[in-house]
Amino acid sequence: QVQLVESGGGVVQPGRSLRLSCAASGFTFSNHGMHWVRQAPGKGLEWVAVIWYDGSNKYYADSVKGRFTISRDNSKNTLFLQMNSLRAEDTAVYYCARDRSSTYVDYWGQGTRVTVSS
Amino acid sequence: EIVLTQSPATLSLSPGERATLSCRASQSVSSYLTWYQQKPGQAPRLLIYDASNRAPGIPARFSGSGYGTDFTLTISSLEPEDFAVYYCQQRSNWPLTFGQGTKLDIK
Repeated sequence: QVQLVESGGGVVQPGRSLRLSCAASGFTFSNHGMHWVRQAPGKGLEWVAVIWYDGSNKYYADSVKGRFTISRDNSKNTLFLQMNSLRAEDTAVYYCARDRSSTYVDYWGQGTRVTVSS
Repeated sequence: EIVLTQSPATLSLSPGERATLSCRASQSVSSYLTWYQQKPGQAPRLLIYDASNRAPGIPARFSGSGYGTDFTLTISSLEPEDFAVYYCQQRSNWPLTFGQGTKLDIK
């Protein structure tokens, strides 16, 4: 079955960096685009970024553009999110999610919590 | 950016009742509208894609309709496990956007 397992979250000071990972299994990772979606405490879902199945295209939310970078390693079935210049408003649970037809997400990980605080 | 507005923000109903949730887009999204369910402490779960197609394993009491700017998620007869938050999402254009959610709670 499809499994997505995020890791790398934690507490970090404003301005610092963090790298999230998502280990995928149960499907052919290299055939699917992948997303990061976040959810601030008590708030709704916010899309963060997407990467095409082969890494050829990437899109970002305006709120993270220029600070976050999505990438993938298809040889290791792993998705990444490099987060630089972190702000308090980046505090959230970050979900890794599998893309379907570039229009929706069909599977979600359980999320990893990122807290940006001094 | 396409803005999705969900209504109502909160819907209080009893088990067995019919639930009707609305999602309105700021411009046409054709049929590229998806619905998710999220329970406390859990990741979202795909319910409906392309406005009206149920995802695998989703009970028949869930149905979606609409096209363009106005969409509806209907739960025909509420079960206790259906009380959750529901989000709509579009990807007619980038960025992909979500509605703010409708909380369905027990009356």
